[in-house]
Amino acid sequence: DTGVSQNPRHKITKRGQNVTFRCDPISEHNRLYWYRQTLGQGPEFLTYFQNEAQLEKSRLLSDRFSAERPKGSFSTLEIQRTEQGDSAMYLCASSSHRELTGELFFGEGSRLTVL
Amino acid sequence: EDQVTQSPEALRLQEGESSSLNCSYTVSGLRGLFWYRQDPGKGPEFLFTLYSAGEEKEKERLKATLTKKESFLHITAPKPEDSATYLCAVHVSGSARQLTFGSGTQLTVLP
Repeated sequence: DTGVSQNPRHKITKRGQNVTFRCDPISEHNRLYWYRQTLGQGPEFLTYFQNEAQLEKSRLLSDRFSAERPKGSFSTLEIQRTEQGDSAMYLCASSSHRELTGELFFGEGSRLTVL
Repeated sequence: EDQVTQSPEALRLQEGESSSLNCSYTVSGLRGLFWYRQDPGKGPEFLFTLYSAGEEKEKERLKATLTKKESFLHITAPKPEDSATYLCAVHVSGSARQLTFGSGTQLTVLP
C-alpha cells in the first residue's frame, strides 16, 4: 500500500477561480478527513466522512467549500471563488474503523496559492 | 472554546541533550490526546495516543505522559534525525472525529 495520495501537490490560481483537490485514501480505510494547515500553525479540521456519508463539518467552514466522497472511495474538496486567505496546505487523512480515533494516516498535502 | 497550547514554539538541542515539550489543554471533556511528528513538506505522522491521566507511552527515544491539564513529550538523548515539528491534538466530547491541534514545537537537534 502506498499510503494516502493527494493531487495535485501544488496549485497556483487567481483569486475568484475554482479549484478541486483529490484524495485517494489507504484502501480499506472507511474514514476520510480533510484538514487545512497554514504556515506555523497546526492542522485545522474541515470535514469527516465515514464511507460516503459526510458526518462532521467544521462550523468555521465557508459555504464556498464543498467535499464529496462518492462510493466511499476517493474524495474531492472543491473551493469556489477562491480568496487569498484560502492559501494553505490542504491535508487529507484516512483511518480504519479498527483504529483508535486519533490514529490518522495523512497524505503529503496539496498546497494552494491564491494570487 | 477548546484550546491546545504548545510550548516552546521552537527548541534547539545539542545531540544527546534531553528535554521535554509541553502541550497544555483546556477542553470540555477529553476523550484522547495524540502526538504527531511532522517533517517539512510532509503530512503529520502519528506517534502516540493517551487517554487518561497518569498514562505513559514510549517509542524509541520518545516518551509521552498525560496529566489532567497537560501532556509532555520527553526526548531522551535526541539525534539529528529527531528534528521535526511535534504536534499534539485532542479529541473532545461532543465531536465525532474532529481533532483540535496545537501549533506545534519545532525541534532542531544539532550534531
